[in-house]
Amino acid sequence: DAGITQSPRHKVTETGTPVTLRCHQTENHRYMYWYRQDPGHGLRLIHYSYGVKDTDKGEVSDGYSVSRSKTEDFLLTLESATSSQTSVYFCATQFRGSSDTQYFGPGTRLTVL
Amino acid sequence: AQTVTQSQPEMSVQEAETVTLSCTYDTSESDYYLFWYKQPPSRQMILVIRQEAYKQQNATENRFSVNFQKAAKSFSLKISDSQLGDAAMYFCAYHPTGGQNFVFGPGTRLSVLP
Repeated sequence: DAGITQSPRHKVTETGTPVTLRCHQTENHRYMYWYRQDPGHGLRLIHYSYGVKDTDKGEVSDGYSVSRSKTEDFLLTLESATSSQTSVYFCATQFRGSSDTQYFGPGTRLTVL
Repeated sequence: AQTVTQSQPEMSVQEAETVTLSCTYDTSESDYYLFWYKQPPSRQMILVIRQEAYKQQNATENRFSVNFQKAAKSFSLKISDSQLGDAAMYFCAYHPTGGQNFVFGPGTRLSVLP
């Protein structure tokens, strides 16, 4: 395991409220990712980071923002949560880049009412 | 855009038997990596096996092996001597060399019958 934790593990919130999910890694991996998992879609990339303060958008980035001020932390923010953002969110890390395996955190189940 | 297809939403296998999960992908790249991940009910994503596209030899990890057909863009997973603990969702994933995105298939739910 790559020492990846996510917090919170479960969250219920209301439409329109901001939500921040945290991913913390202890492996000094350069690359970090946020995915959402929905039935029938597998995992879809939201945002990723290739270094401190370096981030880029993924396939489903609308309504999400990210920040990475330290190597070990990658934050995902839902600026104004909507019911369509109810999902399971996974963080992943990768040591060097494309030749390396991604390691996943345990996931956060988010419900937006 | 790259896509990954898993045409079998659900499969079942008898304990101790062999099962093959299918995966096809679409890409114009020649250099990439392919993965199979397992997701048990705990929800944790666990790497099962990885294949580099430039290697012709099929990857194996104990009871897990792949059949990689690059020209056909096919990457199937064979599980031998199936065990109850193999029951899970299995995801096929594609990762282009030099790129940062992983593209996942929709998954195949595998049941293992005692």
